[in-house]
Amino acid sequence: DQQVKQNSPSLSVQEGRISILNCDYTNSMFDYFLWYKKYPAEGPTFLISISSIKDKNEDGRFTVFLNKSAKHLSLHIVPSQPGDSAVYFCAVNTDKLIFGTGTRLQVFP
Amino acid sequence: DTGVSQDPRHKITKRGQNVTFRCDPISEHNRLYWYRQTLGQGPEFLTYFQNEAQLEKSRLLSDRFSAERPKGSFSTLEIQRTEQGDSAMYLCASSLLGRGLGTEAFFGQGTRLTVV
Repeated sequence: DQQVKQNSPSLSVQEGRISILNCDYTNSMFDYFLWYKKYPAEGPTFLISISSIKDKNEDGRFTVFLNKSAKHLSLHIVPSQPGDSAVYFCAVNTDKLIFGTGTRLQVFP
Repeated sequence: DTGVSQDPRHKITKRGQNVTFRCDPISEHNRLYWYRQTLGQGPEFLTYFQNEAQLEKSRLLSDRFSAERPKGSFSTLEIQRTEQGDSAMYLCASSLLGRGLGTEAFFGQGTRLTVV
């Protein structure tokens, strides 16, 4: 059973526009969420995180939003750049990380 | 380079052989995790250590798999009698417990295993 779900396997966005990646989770007790970015043949790289005491966290072009009542989080990238093209994983920290299946983002010129 | 280091980066082995992978975490990190990733999936948790103690093992980890972290520093993951289904990217990560559950884990570049 998938505790963390990313229902969109891929997303294609034009350079300069906003990319929105979505993630749903099943357990309302989860209290810390993270986004990782992964390039081919490399390990995941930490991007941004959010605690359940917040509903928004921002770091430069990246913003994560958390909607606890809907058990949903999203990652916004503005403006999107070609170098953002990668697979993005959301994860929940429950003493270990539980990952979603990932969304492949492609940013085209 | 003070990141997480994994060795080897690639391993091709014949079915039935044993393989061992090594992970060197970030030096001050007390937690070390092993994950496995296959195509189209997110990293799947296998096991983790706090210092030298193995605290949890996933149901995915059959008895052909064993992991150690003998001195609370580097770790090894051994797969005995490899099967083609073991072909995957094996990822190691480390984190520093002490800042609460919010501490992110840092990953190595992984070991790509191909069983032929």
